[in-house]
Amino acid sequence: ETGVTQTPRHLVMGMTNKKSLKCEQHLGHNAMYWYKQSAKKPLELMFVYSLEERVENNSVPSRFSPECPNSSHLFLHLHTLQPEDSALYLCASSQDGREETQYFGPGTRLLVL
Amino acid sequence: GQSLEQPSEVTAVEGAIVQINCTYQTSGFYGLSWYQQHDGGAPTFLSYNALDGLEETGRFSSFLSRSDSYGYLLLQELQMKDSASYFCAVRAREDSSYKLIFGSGTRLLVRP
Repeated sequence: ETGVTQTPRHLVMGMTNKKSLKCEQHLGHNAMYWYKQSAKKPLELMFVYSLEERVENNSVPSRFSPECPNSSHLFLHLHTLQPEDSALYLCASSQDGREETQYFGPGTRLLVL
Repeated sequence: GQSLEQPSEVTAVEGAIVQINCTYQTSGFYGLSWYQQHDGGAPTFLSYNALDGLEETGRFSSFLSRSDSYGYLLLQELQMKDSASYFCAVRAREDSSYKLIFGSGTRLLVRP
């Protein structure tokens, strides 16, 4: 596989469920990002990992928990989500210091019931 | 605070030229990027301007004026496949890290 992949592509979960989103990049990058995309709103940066260390956490609720075990993999652990968390969750990667050029995965469409 | 303004929708005819403007108000500005996103697809990088002036890449060009806090994306010889959303994004520095701050996007509809 090439580029940035994300699984699952679609996810429906109840408010009491626990699930994880997975992202993998095959580009040799060392920075990875989680974004939330809601209808008619700008992409919201949630988390940034650079060289496997979290460098950004944009006041995201604790029901979202990121994990970056190595420079190629990024997870977003979800628990006790709310209906307003329904959105497209996008993962991206870049070279550290080249934030202007990010490569995005196809996203996970999440619906919280 | 940080804010970017771009039109919500633009319509143009196949073969025409369209310009999508972006004005920004940010601290720690380092450059302006443009991304394209088709419905159901991932955003894809189009261009980046760190310095004033025009950058050309095939049918697409991007312009930046740092003194005016303004940039635009110019699409020439429009094709139906150019129908998509286009996002401007500012590369800014906050605290000790750089980040991309995105606009709300401009939905471009290309008509035959």
